Amino acid sequence: KNQVEQSPQSLIILEGKNCTLQCNYTVSPFSNLRWYKQDTGRGPVSLTIMTFSENTKSNGRYTATLDADTKQSSLHITASQLSDSASYICVVSGGDSNYQLIWGAGTKLIIKP
Amino acid sequence: ETGVTQSPTHLIKTRGQQVTLRCSSQSGHNTVSWYQQALGQGPQFIFQYYREEENGRGNFPPRFSGLQFPNYSSELNVNALELDDSALYLCASSSLAGAMNTGELFFGEGSRLTVL
Repeated sequence: KNQVEQSPQSLIILEGKNCTLQCNYTVSPFSNLRWYKQDTGRGPVSLTIMTFSENTKSNGRYTATLDADTKQSSLHITASQLSDSASYICVVSGGDSNYQLIWGAGTKLIIKP
Repeated sequence: ETGVTQSPTHLIKTRGQQVTLRCSSQSGHNTVSWYQQALGQGPQFIFQYYREEENGRGNFPPRFSGLQFPNYSSELNVNALELDDSALYLCASSSLAGAMNTGELFFGEGSRLTVL
């Protein structure tokens, strides 16, 4: 079954600290993997999109990694800021001929001052 | 700013009524996808329209229907509203190549529907 699982479900860290969010997937065929940031009540915003051949991709303080062999991805946030408080959702494109998007449940991140 | 606009931003309906939500896609995009997001949950895929044709549908009943117009804007219609339809409805536009979802998605800010 095509699935995307994220951990932890929620995370609280202090401002200025680093954190890493995990995403494991069982999706085949695979096209790409995306990380989205979603503020409460707002639409998701794309952070990175990675294809099979990309191992690492950065967007400012956000760095995503992808291991296509183990089907794992991580999102590392460096020097967290209060504005990083949001849900982070891992999404995989694949699973059928149209490469529909398979969504994880998200990790809710809270940054405390 | 993603260039994707949704209307209305908020609305309140009563059970049994019908609602139409609208989405204007980003310039140059030929595909619109609709999602339902209940409070505290991740987005659930409703359906996608590619060049005015439905190109995939999630596990939603037929009372959820849609349209895509020649300018690629789209409508989501929900008939016989139920209390559980209360959610944030998100529209995302993209540019598909051969109807495959390999490209970037750009989301609007959503329409918050409350059913009483």
